[in-house]
Amino acid sequence: DAGITQSPRHKVTETGTPVTLRCHQTENHRYMYWYRQDPGHGLRLIHYSYGVKDTDKGEVSDGYSVSRSKTEDFLLTLESATSSQTSVYFCAISAPGKLSDTQYFGPGTRLTVL
Amino acid sequence: EDQVTQSPEALRLQEGESSSLNCSYTVSGLRGLFWYRQDPGKGPEFLFTLYSAGEEKEKERLKATLTKKESFLHITAPKPEDSATYLCAVYETSGSRLTFGEGTQLTVNP
Repeated sequence: DAGITQSPRHKVTETGTPVTLRCHQTENHRYMYWYRQDPGHGLRLIHYSYGVKDTDKGEVSDGYSVSRSKTEDFLLTLESATSSQTSVYFCAISAPGKLSDTQYFGPGTRLTVL
Repeated sequence: EDQVTQSPEALRLQEGESSSLNCSYTVSGLRGLFWYRQDPGKGPEFLFTLYSAGEEKEKERLKATLTKKESFLHITAPKPEDSATYLCAVYETSGSRLTFGEGTQLTVNP
């Protein structure tokens, strides 16, 4: 199993509060990703990182920011949480493959915004 | 825009009843097609990567195949422990991200 942990695993917060989710890897992989998973939408990419301090937006980046100050940690921040950000959040890392990168996922964080 | 469609949305099988799950995709150029298994409350678990039409990969009771427009995940003589949601995702040659389908929820009854 890929060495990926996410914290917290569950969080309930109120609208308007800031929230930070953490992803930690022990594999020393260059690429890290944040996804959200919602019924009817599948997994959608929020942001990704291709190195320390190197990040880019994904499909659904509005309302989210990320930071990566160390290879092993990738943080996802909701500056002011809204109910529409209630979701399950997954972190992934990618390992170089034959022709493309295989992504390995963490256990997820269930976030509820009241 | 990349599109990935999985069918059926849900499938119920009896133990030992073989079947197939479908993943249809629309991309300008395929760099890779991925299959994942996801159990309730857990993250997706990588199963296979397929790169070109005609390629096949096997793992225990699962066999993944790829054509230019779709991929099939064949499940032979399934067991209750094969119950899960199976996700398909594609990586386009000019893209920088995986595009996921919504998954097929498989239930295998004993």
